[in-house]
Amino acid sequence: AQSVTQLDSHVSVSEGTPVLLRCNYSSSYSPSLFWYVQHPNKGLQLLLKYTSAATLVKGINGFEAEFKKSETSFHLTKPSAHMSDAAEYFCVVTGRRALTFGSGTRLQVQP
Amino acid sequence: EAGVTQFPSHSVIEKGQTVTLRCDPISGHDNLYWYRRVMGKEIKFLLHFVKESKQDESGMPNNRFLAERTGGTYSTLKVQPAELEDSGVYFCASSPWTSNLYNEQFFGPGTRLTVL
Repeated sequence: AQSVTQLDSHVSVSEGTPVLLRCNYSSSYSPSLFWYVQHPNKGLQLLLKYTSAATLVKGINGFEAEFKKSETSFHLTKPSAHMSDAAEYFCVVTGRRALTFGSGTRLQVQP
Repeated sequence: EAGVTQFPSHSVIEKGQTVTLRCDPISGHDNLYWYRRVMGKEIKFLLHFVKESKQDESGMPNNRFLAERTGGTYSTLKVQPAELEDSGVYFCASSPWTSNLYNEQFFGPGTRLTVL
């Protein structure tokens, strides 16, 4: 079985400051992990994915995530937030039954 | 290339009524998935089609939900009769057929269902 825990339901940052969205996972085997983003009235969009290659994964729009097996974490980071980053972010782990989602983190970016 | 589309975007119905949601996947995608997000909770898997066949429907909550994918193109999800707890956002996703289960799924914008 697998599960995902997103440690923060809401994160607020100022424009130009770093972003950290935290995700811990549990899986009975070597998982693949994703981060998806949903902007208002849009579908979920893939930001990046980890599939047992490099542990530091770079995604779109300047986001990256580091897979840490010892900590069972897959935190999402960005060096400098932009107003357009305001959205809801989902950490996702693959499983036997398609995808298992975390509860989501809503990112607010203050001007 | 058109993305995954879902219709309607919003639906408000009364308890006991029937609602049918539609999903048009990306052309050529054999895999089609339905997910649901209820009241700000996690997005949860409902079922998976490969072409017109149900590969896995273990996430369907009960027999009031019926999904079809006739001809292996678009899919419908019918709720009959609808109950209050069915309110939420229903997402559809598609992906090309591949032996790799860990490929990206492409999501539609969702249908927001409200049962009064």
